[in-house]
Amino acid sequence: AQRVTQPEKLLSVFKGAPVELKCNYSYSGSPELFWYVQYSRQRLQLLLRHISRESIKGFTADLNKGETSFHLKKPFAQEEDSAMYYCALPQGGSEKLVFGKGTKLTVNP
Amino acid sequence: GAGVSQSPRYKVAKRGQDVALRCDPISGHVSLFWYQQALGQGPEFLTYFQNEAQLDKSGLPSDRFFAERPEGSVSTLKIQRTQQEDSAVYLCASSLAVYEQYFGPGTRLTVT
Repeated sequence: AQRVTQPEKLLSVFKGAPVELKCNYSYSGSPELFWYVQYSRQRLQLLLRHISRESIKGFTADLNKGETSFHLKKPFAQEEDSAMYYCALPQGGSEKLVFGKGTKLTVNP
Repeated sequence: GAGVSQSPRYKVAKRGQDVALRCDPISGHVSLFWYQQALGQGPEFLTYFQNEAQLDKSGLPSDRFFAERPEGSVSTLKIQRTQQEDSAVYLCASSLAVYEQYFGPGTRLTVT
């Protein structure tokens, strides 16, 4: 079965510093991967998806099939980036998503 | 436009009570998903509808859990004889395009 691992439960950086949130997956084939974000007291929302290859709010994520990783990166973190971040991929060729346990990012002033 | 809404937002139930959680998807969204999110965990899939058809219920943890979407719009997740381990946030999501799921605010269920 597909699995998503986010090894860091908590990540703390200072404003302006680079940030990388790690995501590793287990899947044979070409996966579709997503990053979801949940800001404080807001609902879970899609941040970006692998297939669109776009940058959202300065975040990018590159699929590395050799390392089975889809790490989320931003060169200069902002305080408003503080949130819970979840990596996800579809399970079993269907639309249902498997989520990682999430990483809580705190950007300090 | 209006997003996915869920009610109630908070529910406290005594162990053994039945509860019903409601989800109003975005109008026109064909697919509807239910997820369960325990404290400190990511969301876990429960069940999935396409219109009124329940295509996948493999994530429902026991036969105490039941979901329906009789007219292909509003959905209800029912939990019978609630147990303490049912305490979690229950998330509903709807989608029109493949993989673009829009989530509701969730219902936080606490079983005492």
